[in-house]
Amino acid sequence: ELKVEQNPLFLSMQEGKNYTIYCNYSTTSDRLYWYRQDPGKSLESLFVLLSNGAVKQEGRLMASLDTKARLSTLHITAAVHDLSATYFCAVAPETSGSRLTFGEGTQLTVNP
Amino acid sequence: DSGVTQTPKHLITATGQRVTLRCSPRSGDLSVYWYQQSLDQGLQFLIQYYNGEERAKGNILERFSAQQFPDLHSELNLSSLELGDSALYFCASSVAPGQGYEQYFGPGTRLTVT
Repeated sequence: ELKVEQNPLFLSMQEGKNYTIYCNYSTTSDRLYWYRQDPGKSLESLFVLLSNGAVKQEGRLMASLDTKARLSTLHITAAVHDLSATYFCAVAPETSGSRLTFGEGTQLTVNP
Repeated sequence: DSGVTQTPKHLITATGQRVTLRCSPRSGDLSVYWYQQSLDQGLQFLIQYYNGEERAKGNILERFSAQQFPDLHSELNLSSLELGDSALYFCASSVAPGQGYEQYFGPGTRLTVT
């Protein structure tokens, strides 16, 4: 069974600081997705990583994928309060078609 | 706004009842997915349709069923509802069913079973 694990699950950080969220998965996949969810809201697509070594950046967020290590990271640079949300990674390995298997989510709180 | 619409936004019903959740995909998207988000189970894939045909099934209970109509909208039917079915149900759509295609999520339907 495919497992997707994120850590940390809860992250409280100060504005201006940097931090990294990790996403490990248990089976071969070269497709990884990052989503953001605000409380009670839908999932907003942040990044789609489609190959080993892929790196994508948008504003203060940067995501990378290492398919050999089965690891993706979401790096936050100089956090601001608006980044407070829950972040999910999701994997769609070839063997499971295009269904997404999600991690547990990382609840990020950025304090002023 | 992702372009995926879901109705209703909220639904409150009693145990044993049956409800229908509706989803309209983004214009041009042929594939529709249903996911359930609950506190204890997290986000789980339920079922996928592509151009009217069932494509993949996940952890979907036998009491639940879905279909995709010729106009590509989809409905998720939940019957004999139990308290544990209370959750946020998301529909997502993509252009095609392949892995590399981004899935866009609708606003969700919050189901409360009392």
